[in-house]
Amino acid sequence: GAGVSQSPSNKVTEKGKDVELRCDPISGHTALYWYRQSLGQGLEFLIYFQGNSAPDKSGLPSDRFSAERTGGSVSTLTIQRTQQEDSAVYLCASSPRAGGPYEQYFGPGTRLTVT
Amino acid sequence: EDQVTQSPEALRLQEGESSSLNCSYTVSGLRGLFWYRQDPGKGPEFLFTLYSAGEEKEKERLKATLTKKESFLHITAPKPEDSATYLCAVQAPLGYGQNFVFGPGTRLSVLP
Repeated sequence: GAGVSQSPSNKVTEKGKDVELRCDPISGHTALYWYRQSLGQGLEFLIYFQGNSAPDKSGLPSDRFSAERTGGSVSTLTIQRTQQEDSAVYLCASSPRAGGPYEQYFGPGTRLTVT
Repeated sequence: EDQVTQSPEALRLQEGESSSLNCSYTVSGLRGLFWYRQDPGKGPEFLFTLYSAGEEKEKERLKATLTKKESFLHITAPKPEDSATYLCAVQAPLGYGQNFVFGPGTRLSVLP
């Protein structure tokens, strides 16, 4: 079946612009996670959704970052007034449901470059 | 604070040379430990879930084991296609949030 998809695969933006990153989870998966991976670094947790609500936003680095999920499916991560330090690969993962432990299935990521 | 460390940071093996990767964690009340493989430019690919000390799981040339403080990923007679970064992650108890804590990974290179 179809896996997790993310779009765009690459995004180059100028400092100060807003960007939106999209994640389509595996159908039927109710839990959705966003991570950030900087070059040569591990995965940094950003936020997770159970259905459309976000019980844990603890990883969002600043108020420039926000995320929403609609219809228990697609999620959008928005970064406002992008900074160069926002450059990274943004990974989305979905899981059958939260409260697991359930493995996560990852998308291919969106590579964001802020110039 | 929950911590996950992995060693070595990088490992170079000759084809057929078996070895082990280590993942150490400090989270109490572990709910699950996960191993992933990540190829360059791709998202992590799920390999194993381990739930309790003493558990072992195998898949082809890979075998994962779990103790109360660490997990090992044993690679038997590796092939060049096993070259990748191997990540481990732990899931903390409910109430910590549902976030997974990932280790920094071990970058494995298998030379022909």
